[in-house]
Amino acid sequence: DIVMTQSPDSLAVSLGERATINCKSSQSVLYSSNNKNYLAWYQQKPGQPPKLLIYWASTRESGVPDRFSGSGSGTDFTLTISSLQAEDVAVYYCQQYYSTPVFGPGTKVDIK
Amino acid sequence: EVQLLESGGGLVQPGGSLRLSCAASGFTFSSYAMSWVRQAPGKGLEWVSAISGSGGSTYYADSVKGRFTISRDNSKNTLYLQMNSLRAEDTAVYYCVKVPAAMFFYYYMDVWGKGTTVTVSS
Repeated sequence: DIVMTQSPDSLAVSLGERATINCKSSQSVLYSSNNKNYLAWYQQKPGQPPKLLIYWASTRESGVPDRFSGSGSGTDFTLTISSLQAEDVAVYYCQQYYSTPVFGPGTKVDIK
Repeated sequence: EVQLLESGGGLVQPGGSLRLSCAASGFTFSSYAMSWVRQAPGKGLEWVSAISGSGGSTYYADSVKGRFTISRDNSKNTLYLQMNSLRAEDTAVYYCVKVPAAMFFYYYMDVWGKGTTVTVSS
């Protein structure tokens, strides 16, 4: 199975500042035939179910604010929140769907 | 509006059984694969099982294979998870999740229910 890791485990960012979360897969999730990275990002606020933010590594789900962006390819990916808002406090998970789905351990984002 | 509503969770003794249900609305249920994902208390997300839109293909995580059975009734827009031989480590919130394609593999999960809690304890 592909193993997913995330860094940092947690971070605290001032309101309006940038938050960056990294995700690494143990093997490439780039499918060469269509040049797509099989990587998604989810946001889980306290007491709520996860919510899809980003798929195909960089495609924003409908309705997701454009301060959220995804980048990366192959084995290394990044979720960036360009200007942190109070409502962005949550745990963020990456997930590969190149093979049997596996989630990263999560990164907790708080306000500094 | 797409909605997924889980039910059937509760307290069960080790070795017992439980059947979860997920009522779907707001989309053509039979056109989409569905999945169950669980989250143990204070822990991360773990994919459990999935089923194709037609119900003809099913998939399981190694941790539940041989004990859990996923099924669906497309006439009732309902997804099920039959859980047998339950263990303490199966204690979790179980989420019903929609996949944006008829086949499960190679797709992300786009809509999540609110979850139902399963507690396995004596």
